[in-house]
Amino acid sequence: GESVGLHLPTLSVQEGDNSIINCAYSNSASDYFIWYKQESGKGPQFIIDIRSNMDKRQGQRVTVLLNKTVKHLSLQIAATQPGDSAVYFCAHTRGAQKLVFGQGTRLTINP
Amino acid sequence: DSGVTQTPKHLITATGQRVTLRCSPRSGDLSVYWYQQSLDQGLQFLIQYYNGEERAKGNILERFSAQQFPDLHSELNLSSLELGDSALYFCASSVAVNAGELFFGEGSRLTVL
Repeated sequence: GESVGLHLPTLSVQEGDNSIINCAYSNSASDYFIWYKQESGKGPQFIIDIRSNMDKRQGQRVTVLLNKTVKHLSLQIAATQPGDSAVYFCAHTRGAQKLVFGQGTRLTINP
Repeated sequence: DSGVTQTPKHLITATGQRVTLRCSPRSGDLSVYWYQQSLDQGLQFLIQYYNGEERAKGNILERFSAQQFPDLHSELNLSSLELGDSALYFCASSVAVNAGELFFGEGSRLTVL
């Protein structure tokens, strides 16, 4: 069955360093991937998305990489700031109706 | 502010009771989704409505039901509540029937004692 999972449940990085959050998925038919950020006490917020016809997409301080060969997705955050502390979820859709979310990775920024 | 409004923000009730959670989607969004998030867990998809009709169903218990009204707001009804139903319940909305970027509300925290 399809699944979206994360390699690490927690990640601690030094402020100013780059963060890399990883995600594996099992369904090769997945065609749309999204990263969400959930700060404490809030709902998830869209960060960046990528379609399966791309392998890289950049946003402001964030980059998403998609490796369809090994069914792996990553989120890179450049120059991590205290405000980046949150739980990050990857999610995917298979063409339609629902998003399947991974377990989440908690990113902690050390001063 | 995502534009999605959920009420109530917090709700404490007892086992066996019934509660209703309400969601108003972003203006113009026709799709409404309900997700459950237990403590330190991921988001579990419950159900989706599009323009008043049920579109997709996930891991929603038979004790739970939902509907979307003509004005596009949605309600999630949880009955015969159990301790394990304590969770954050999120509503999200999107313009299209196919999930793309979802806009999430702040959630309703349900505590069943």
